[in-house]
Amino acid sequence: SQQGEEDPQALSIQEGENATMNCSYKTSINNLQWYRQNSGRGLVHLILIRSNEREKHSGRLRVTLDTSKKSSSLLITASRAADTASYFCATGRAGTYKYIFGTGTRLKVLA
Amino acid sequence: DAMVIQNPRYQVTQFGKPVTLSCSQTLNHNVMYWYQQKSSQAPKLLFHYYDKDFNNEADTPDNFQSRRPNTSFCFLDIRSPGLGDTAMYLCATSREFGRFNQPQHFGDGTRLSIL
Repeated sequence: SQQGEEDPQALSIQEGENATMNCSYKTSINNLQWYRQNSGRGLVHLILIRSNEREKHSGRLRVTLDTSKKSSSLLITASRAADTASYFCATGRAGTYKYIFGTGTRLKVLA
Repeated sequence: DAMVIQNPRYQVTQFGKPVTLSCSQTLNHNVMYWYQQKSSQAPKLLFHYYDKDFNNEADTPDNFQSRRPNTSFCFLDIRSPGLGDTAMYLCATSREFGRFNQPQHFGDGTRLSIL
């Protein structure tokens, strides 16, 4: 399977703490994207990082990409209860418009 | 607001009875995708359209079909649903051009239950 792997599978933290989740993938990529999914809803795009970028920030989100290790991490700083959701990475390959999603991390932020 | 809308939100149907799920978009995006997501799993791509060009995934079951009559609408037809097809079905769009992929915009999904 070309599916990416994410770890941890589940993460439970207190409000105000930072949350870090990791994504590993198997093939060369064009870009990597992170999505959030609230229970019973569709996915919401958070951030896109291209293969020639190493780090990207958006508000409380920080994403890193290491193409030599085929891995990425998503850091959410100062987490809030509203950040409770599942987080998925998705990789895109050059020459295609297809995305392969990772297995996801279920984040629970306790108030 | 521009968005991706899926109907219905919930669908219950009998084993073997054909069902159609619909997706519409106001984003004027050229690519539309259908994903299947089972409980606590990652979305799995079934097929996608680049404009009118249909691209099927190799492991998509034969009884799953799709139609895209125009830019705005896309349908997922399941000819003879089995119990294993119970899942959330997600529609997504993106505006693809050049060599770099673009973010996808998802609808809220149709939760399909086969009895």
